[in-house]
Amino acid sequence: DSGVTQTPKHLITATGQRVTLRCSPRSGDLSVYWYQQSLDQGLQFLIQYYNGEERAKGNILERFSAQQFPDLHSELNLSSLELGDSALYFCASSVLSPEYSGNTIYFGEGSWLTVV
Amino acid sequence: ELKVEQNPLFLSMQEGKNYTIYCNYSTTSDRLYWYRQDPGKSLESLFVLLSNGAVKQEGRLMASLDTKARLSTLHITAAVHDLSATYFCAVDRRSNYQLIWGAGTKLIIKP
Repeated sequence: DSGVTQTPKHLITATGQRVTLRCSPRSGDLSVYWYQQSLDQGLQFLIQYYNGEERAKGNILERFSAQQFPDLHSELNLSSLELGDSALYFCASSVLSPEYSGNTIYFGEGSWLTVV
Repeated sequence: ELKVEQNPLFLSMQEGKNYTIYCNYSTTSDRLYWYRQDPGKSLESLFVLLSNGAVKQEGRLMASLDTKARLSTLHITAAVHDLSATYFCAVDRRSNYQLIWGAGTKLIIKP
């Protein structure tokens, strides 16, 4: 158990719908990251927050958005869902900001999203 | 654009044998990570390699980093069935934790 908690674990929804994935980082971790894992694209970095502020953006679609709240939990919002959005979405956390070396990144169990 | 290539992508081996997984990356980076993933499960951190010549070992797994060759290796010694999993390497782009991932090596160890 990495200490990173994600909900829901599984989600089935229809095309065009909107879903919210939630992540609670490890206690004390200030950085939260979102990754998407799919069969065709592999693991892709989506977005990173540090202490409530967006720090880096990767291959995140405009239909997707995220935020980190004052209590450090984070949400990933996926809207106008398409079949191709079906994937495993991971949240990860680390204690320090990216400038520090050797900072292990811990991953949650993931949220399986199926769009039908 | 930073690219990370792993090989082989699939490896089936017998228990007790040794083998190496290779991870090549295309541009300079100062951090390389190895993770393990069991089917349908999360990613478990194995090693973080931070400098040229870094070598880390945990049990039957040993990872090394050659930043000049832009190459990392994950060596498995005397493999056991419990090491069956998919192994990913990831490179930190611009030291800002935007990890760029390899495609993964699916390792099957037969008794």
